[in-house]
Amino acid sequence: QVQLVQSGSELKKPGASVKVSCKASGYTFTSYAMNWVRQAPGQGLEWMGWINTNTGNPTYAQGFTGRFVFSLDTSVSTAYLQISSLKAEDTAVYYCARDPGVGDYREYYFDYWGQGTLVTVSS
Amino acid sequence: AIQLTQSPSSLSASVGDRVTITCRASQGISSALAWYQQKPGKAPKLLIYDASSLESGVPSRFSGSGSGTDFTLTISSLQPEDFATYYCQQFNNYPPVTFGGGTKVEIK
Repeated sequence: QVQLVQSGSELKKPGASVKVSCKASGYTFTSYAMNWVRQAPGQGLEWMGWINTNTGNPTYAQGFTGRFVFSLDTSVSTAYLQISSLKAEDTAVYYCARDPGVGDYREYYFDYWGQGTLVTVSS
Repeated sequence: AIQLTQSPSSLSASVGDRVTITCRASQGISSALAWYQQKPGKAPKLLIYDASSLESGVPSRFSGSGSGTDFTLTISSLQPEDFATYYCQQFNNYPPVTFGGGTKVEIK
């Protein structure tokens, strides 16, 4: 069965960096794009962008350029989200989410989600 | 970017009630709309895609309808496990993908 398992909660100081992992299993990792979605405490869902798991090419939503980096390690079927120069407003749960479109076809909705990783930024 | 407005933002209902949630897009999005259910501390779960297609494994009491700018999610007979927050998401005008603000369904 398809599973996306994310790394555990992180507590970081402002200015630090964090790297969140999302390990996929139960399907061919490179056949489906991976998205990242942020949810601030008590707030709604915000799409951050996606990465082509076949080519490694990332696409970032407005507001998520510069400090946010999507990457892959296809040898272990894992996607990563790295955030640098952390700010208090980056405190949120970060989800990876799979696009069900196969190969180069994108659906742009999300059929499987990781369990979420809480990143807390506090001095 | 396309804005999605959900209404109501919250509602109280009883087990067995018929519940309808609406999602209005700021411009036409054809049928490029999905609905998700999120329970506290959990990831969202896909319920409906392409406005009216039921995701595999989702109970048939959930249904979606609409096209263009106005969409609805209906729960025909509310069950205890349905108390959650529901989000709509558009994917017609990409990027970006955008979500509605959510509708919290609470026990009456």
